[in-house]
Amino acid sequence: DIQMTQSPSSLSASVGDRVTITCRASQYISTYLNWYQQKPGKAPKLLIYAASSLQSGVPSRFSGSGSGTDFTLTISSLQPEDFATYYCQQSYTIPRTFGQGTKVEIK
Amino acid sequence: EVQLVESGGGLVQPGGSLRLSCAASGFSFSNYEMNWVRQAPGKGLEWVSYISGSGSTKYYADSVKGRFTISRDNAKNSLYLQIDSLRAEDTAVYYCARKVAAKGDAFDIWGQGTMVTVSS
Repeated sequence: DIQMTQSPSSLSASVGDRVTITCRASQYISTYLNWYQQKPGKAPKLLIYAASSLQSGVPSRFSGSGSGTDFTLTISSLQPEDFATYYCQQSYTIPRTFGQGTKVEIK
Repeated sequence: EVQLVESGGGLVQPGGSLRLSCAASGFSFSNYEMNWVRQAPGKGLEWVSYISGSGSTKYYADSVKGRFTISRDNAKNSLYLQIDSLRAEDTAVYYCARKVAAKGDAFDIWGQGTMVTVSS
């Protein structure tokens, strides 16, 4: 199975900060990497697919990059509604594996 | 509106069974491959199972293989997960999710989830 490792596991940031979350795959996954946002008690929401494509309706302050094994999710200017947990997921092979999550908290 | 709505969760004793359902609306259900994903309380997301649009191809996580069965009824726009021989570690919120091939096989639509609690 492909292991997905996110860092950091949590971070504290202020509104307006630039936030970067990284995700590393244990083996090559091309650009089959997706990012989801989850708020407490809610279902995950797709933010970025295929490493860098913005899902319809998602604000442009979210961006993704990377290929191969190393990927990044960036929030250019953190907004109050962005405090949540973020997960990466590889869709290169079965089983589809998720990272352990990164919780973004208010500083 | 494109929507997935799960049902069927509840409290069940170890060794018991449940059948989860996921009702799809607002899109051509048979054209989409579907998945189940679960989340134990306070934990991360775990992919559970996949089924092709026709229902002919199915995959399972090793942790549920032989105990869970995924199926679909395209005439009823419904996805199912039969879960047998339940264990305490199966306690989780179970989500159904639509896979979109045109979006790198990402899961673009999720249901609200249904809670399964395994306890005596």
